[in-house]
Amino acid sequence: QKEVEQNSGPLSVPEGAIASLNCTYSDRGSQSFFWYRQYSGKSPELIMSIYSNGDKEDGRFTAQLNKASQYVSLLIRDSQPSDSATYLCAGKDSGGSNYKLTFGKGTLLTVNP
Amino acid sequence: SAVISQKPSRDICQRGTSLTIQCQVDSQVTMMFWYRQQPGQSLTLIATANQGSEATYESGFVIDKFPISRPNLTFSTLTVSNMSPEDSSIYLCSVETDPGQGLVGYTFGSGTRLTVV
Repeated sequence: QKEVEQNSGPLSVPEGAIASLNCTYSDRGSQSFFWYRQYSGKSPELIMSIYSNGDKEDGRFTAQLNKASQYVSLLIRDSQPSDSATYLCAGKDSGGSNYKLTFGKGTLLTVNP
Repeated sequence: SAVISQKPSRDICQRGTSLTIQCQVDSQVTMMFWYRQQPGQSLTLIATANQGSEATYESGFVIDKFPISRPNLTFSTLTVSNMSPEDSSIYLCSVETDPGQGLVGYTFGSGTRLTVV
């Protein structure tokens, strides 16, 4: 059973701080990882994808991947109240089911003004 | 990225009845995915719908309960049959974002919030 585990949260940070969200995955063959943001009552919105070891930056977001440790993280710099949402980590399965995503349970982030 | 129109956005249904959810994509896609998100939970894949073949169901989900149609490369339906209160969830369709359209990943429809009473 392929699993994606996220730090349980909820996570609360003050406005302007760095929010750090973490995720580990069990599928050692998994090559692609995604971070989704989900506002309450809305559908998930893709904010970052990462395929290679190291860091990938996009604006205030940085995704980090360490395949040896099977670890993915998302850093949000200069956090804003509008970043308050549930963040879902997902990994693309390897092998014969490599078209499917496995999602973590999500981490609820609250950014306090 | 692909734009997905999903309907209905919400419904309240009586137990024992069925509801059909529709997803329309603005471009042709090979696979469409149907997910369920139970209250306070993450997303669970129900099935993968390919045009011209039967859907592939995940463990714990069966065709009799969740029949799927995929008549062409831009449209799919999911039916929730013989509903019980345990079927109360958000149902989402998803497609893989076309590489070359920016961020590669999977795009979701707006979801159908189903309440069974």
